[in-house]
Amino acid sequence: QKEVEQDPGPLSVPEGAIVSLNCTYSNSAFQYFMWYRQYSRKGPELLMYTYSSGNKEDGRFTAQVDKSSKYISLFIRDSQPSDSATYLCAMTLGYGNNRLAFGKGNQVVVIP
Amino acid sequence: DTAVSQTPKYLVTQMGNDKSIKCEQNLGHDTMYWYKQDSKKFLKIMFSYNNKELIINETVPNRFSPKSPDKAHLNLHINSLELGDSAVYFCASSRQGEETQYFGPGTRLLVL
Repeated sequence: QKEVEQDPGPLSVPEGAIVSLNCTYSNSAFQYFMWYRQYSRKGPELLMYTYSSGNKEDGRFTAQVDKSSKYISLFIRDSQPSDSATYLCAMTLGYGNNRLAFGKGNQVVVIP
Repeated sequence: DTAVSQTPKYLVTQMGNDKSIKCEQNLGHDTMYWYKQDSKKFLKIMFSYNNKELIINETVPNRFSPKSPDKAHLNLHINSLELGDSAVYFCASSRQGEETQYFGPGTRLLVL
């Protein structure tokens, strides 16, 4: 079983729709959870960062972590064509262990 | 004012050659990383240095040798290049004690 599972998609949605992405993981010791956005031919850029279980909202983006189910989600409201990118979930143990385990990435296309 | 920069952006070379990729960060971070992203977009950590000291060394062929002359630079030297080394190599950095990592633009390596 892979450490982090993420359905690679691709996912096509019309502009204005809600995009829902998720990852599952096997290591219950993961404490810190991130979502990175990667545009074509660019490096990943940090989008959202959460610690332990709970929700975090930043503008049109909401990240959710459910540690009991080992499941994290990213929601994008009012999606825009500029949101078209690959979204990678990542997680780490923390406490000095900075090894990030990534999901395979989810390609999202927002159609105008 | 690029935060994490890499050179070169593209590298096309023949099998058996030796090549180096350079990375520099001006964020004042203490920890730097090398990741490999394969054709399926899967990002996997290779190495991590903290203040010039190697702290993460994943299962990587010993043809790959990282070198950190100072905490702002981390280079990657690859000997005897093989076809399977073709990938995008990303450098990243983070502040000590923080889990979020910031990525460079990537170096696209093609081995012919």
